[in-house]
Amino acid sequence: GAGVSQSPSNKVTEKGKDVELRCDPISGHTALYWYRQRLGQGLEFLIYFQGNSAPDKSGLPSDRFSAERTGESVSTLTIQRTQQEDSAVYLCASSTRAGASTDTQYFGPGTRLTVL
Amino acid sequence: AQTVTQSQPEMSVQEAETVTLSCTYDTSESDYYLFWYKQPPSRQMILVIRQEAYKQQNATENRFSVNFQKAAKSFSLKISDSQLGDAAMYFCAYRSYSFGNEKLTFGTGTRLTIIP
Repeated sequence: GAGVSQSPSNKVTEKGKDVELRCDPISGHTALYWYRQRLGQGLEFLIYFQGNSAPDKSGLPSDRFSAERTGESVSTLTIQRTQQEDSAVYLCASSTRAGASTDTQYFGPGTRLTVL
Repeated sequence: AQTVTQSQPEMSVQEAETVTLSCTYDTSESDYYLFWYKQPPSRQMILVIRQEAYKQQNATENRFSVNFQKAAKSFSLKISDSQLGDAAMYFCAYRSYSFGNEKLTFGTGTRLTIIP
C-alpha cells in the first residue's frame, strides 16, 4: 500500500484483557515507531525499531507493554492486563532509515483503544 | 531531555486571513530538526513543514512558512490565505540530530478553527 496502515481502527476491551495492535509500515521503510496519544494531549514516544531490533524502548510505560517486529515489516504492540489508563490512540509511523538526515516519519491513522 | 511547548490550546482565523501558531522548545543540543504536523479529525498525522536547525533560512511550503529563531528556541508556523481544509490540530515536534535518538518529542497541540 501507499501509506502506513494500522488495525484495528478501533478496539474496545475489558479491563484485564490482553490486546494486540498491528502496524504495516510503508514498503521499504526500515525504521518503525510507536506513539501513544491520550485524549487532548500530544504524542508520547513508546518504542522504535530499526529493522527487527528495538534500540530504544525507553517510552514503554510498564512491563505490560511489549512490541515486536518481523521481516523488517509488520509490527505488533501488545498490552497485557489492560488498565483504564491505557485508553488512548496508538499511532505507528515509519521512515526510510532512522538517523538519516532526510528522515521523515510518516504516520498511520492510529488505533483507538478503549478499556472499559 | 528535550521539551516542546505550545502555549495556544486553541486559535481561530477568518478564511483567507493569516494566522501564526507558536512553539518553543528546550534543548542543549546544537543540531536538531523541528517539524509541524497537522492532525485532522481522521487522526492521520500529516507533515506540514520541517526545519533543520543548521539552516538559517526559514522553511516554506506553499502557504505555510516558519519563523525559526534558534537563539530564542522558537519555531512558529504561519499559515497564509487560510482555507477551510486547514482546520485541524497542529503539533510542533522536535527530533535530535544524533543517531540513536530518532524519536519525535511533541507539544500538546493547537486546535485551529477556520471561520467561513
